[in-house]
Amino acid sequence: AQKVTQAQTEISVVEKEDVTLDCVYETRDTTYYLFWYKQPPSGELVFLIRRNSFDEQNEISGRYSWNFQKSTSSFNFTITASQVVDSAVYFCALFNYGQNFVFGPGTRLSVLP
Amino acid sequence: EAGVAQSPRYKIIEKRQSVAFWCNPISGHATLYWYQQILGQGPKLLIQFQNNGVVDDSQLPKDRFSAERLKGVDSTLKIQPAKLEDSAVYLCASSLAGPGDGYTFGSGTRLTVV
Repeated sequence: AQKVTQAQTEISVVEKEDVTLDCVYETRDTTYYLFWYKQPPSGELVFLIRRNSFDEQNEISGRYSWNFQKSTSSFNFTITASQVVDSAVYFCALFNYGQNFVFGPGTRLSVLP
Repeated sequence: EAGVAQSPRYKIIEKRQSVAFWCNPISGHATLYWYQQILGQGPKLLIQFQNNGVVDDSQLPKDRFSAERLKGVDSTLKIQPAKLEDSAVYLCASSLAGPGDGYTFGSGTRLTVV
C-alpha cells in the first residue's frame, strides 16, 4: 500500500526563521516520484518540485531546499528565511504508474510578521 | 499558456439536489483528473481520463458520482443526489501523459451541501 505521512499538522514561525516540513512515504515500488505542492488560501495547488526515486541529490531553489533520503523514506522541505507569503498548506505527494497520486494530509504553515 | 479552467468557483446546494462541475484542461493535455479535497485533508483521486477513455475510477462513488470527457477535451463531473459529506473542493488537473509532463491543477470548485 502507498501512504504519505506529514506528521506536522500546523507550524507557526516568525518571519525570517527557517522552517522544515517533514514528509515520510511508504511504497513497495522501486520506481516512483515524490512531489511537493503549495496550496495558498486561493485554493489552487502550485507545483514546487518533482523528484524521481533514482535521484537522491538534494535540490535548492532560491529559499527552498529539499532533502530526499531513500534510507529513511523521507522527502523533507526546508524554507530558509521564511516570508509571510510562504503561509499556505503544503502537501507532499507520492506517485507511481498504475497507482496514481497519493497525497499526504498537508502541513499548514503560518509565517507571522 | 492558459491554465486548467474550472467553473463554477463556488456552489451551495441542498442535500439530494444535483450539481455539475466543468473543467477545461490545458490545450493538448491528454490526461485529465478529478480530485476531491475534503477540508483539512489532501486531495483524493476520483477519476482519471486518458483522452476520452476512463483509466482509473476505482475511488469514484458510482452510485452518485459520474464523469465524462467529451471528445477528449472538456470534462464534467456530476453528483446526483448530493449528500452532506460531499462538501469539498473538487479539483481538476491535466497532464500531457503522466505527472512528469506538466501536471497542472485548476483552482477548484468549492461545493457546500446544506
